[in-house]
Amino acid sequence: QLQLQESGPGLVKPSETLSLTCTVSGGSITSTSYYWGWIRQPPGKGLEWIGSIYSGGSTYYNPSLKSRVTISVDTSKNQFSLKLSSVTAADTAVYYCVSATACISANCLNWFDPWGQGTLVTVSS
Amino acid sequence: EIVLTQSPATLSLSPGERATLSCRASQSVSNYLAWYQQKPGQAPRLLIYDASNRATGTPARFSGSGSGTDFTLTISSLEPEDFAVYYCQQRSNWPPITFGQGTRLEIK
Repeated sequence: QLQLQESGPGLVKPSETLSLTCTVSGGSITSTSYYWGWIRQPPGKGLEWIGSIYSGGSTYYNPSLKSRVTISVDTSKNQFSLKLSSVTAADTAVYYCVSATACISANCLNWFDPWGQGTLVTVSS
Repeated sequence: EIVLTQSPATLSLSPGERATLSCRASQSVSNYLAWYQQKPGQAPRLLIYDASNRATGTPARFSGSGSGTDFTLTISSLEPEDFAVYYCQQRSNWPPITFGQGTRLEIK
């Protein structure tokens, strides 16, 4: 059973880069069966998809964040990561790592399941 | 970008009552729509996928319907543990993948 766990700093200064890691257990990060991704939720607000990466290396980002986001995979550690640059207070949120199974057709993912427990990142000086 | 609009924003009902939650898409998403349940302090959990299929572990009192632009999540008889926030999500035309703003189901 696939399980995901986020880790990283809970406090980031404005203009700096937010960096989070998601450790995958119960499955291989190199599996062609999955997309790996990040979703965030500002306090008291709704869900925003940040982006996803497929095992072959293809990345898909939310256009609203694309210029600041990088998602990558570390196969040696069975982890994937999120980097969000030039953060502001508006980036304060709970960040969830998620997985989705790949569809049979290309460039297609199914539904987000499971989710990590989430980690709160606060942007403040 | 496909915008999902959920209604109502808040639904106040009593245990045992029937709940009907709506999600409307700004353009057709076929049946590529899911519903998630989120309880306070927890990550969202997949409830319904492909508009009408229950995810593993979803009780039978939950059902989803619709296609194209109009979708409904129905809870036939509310249990105390069903009071939560519900989100719809589409994957038809991405990126971006988008979510509705959520419906809060609260105890009356």
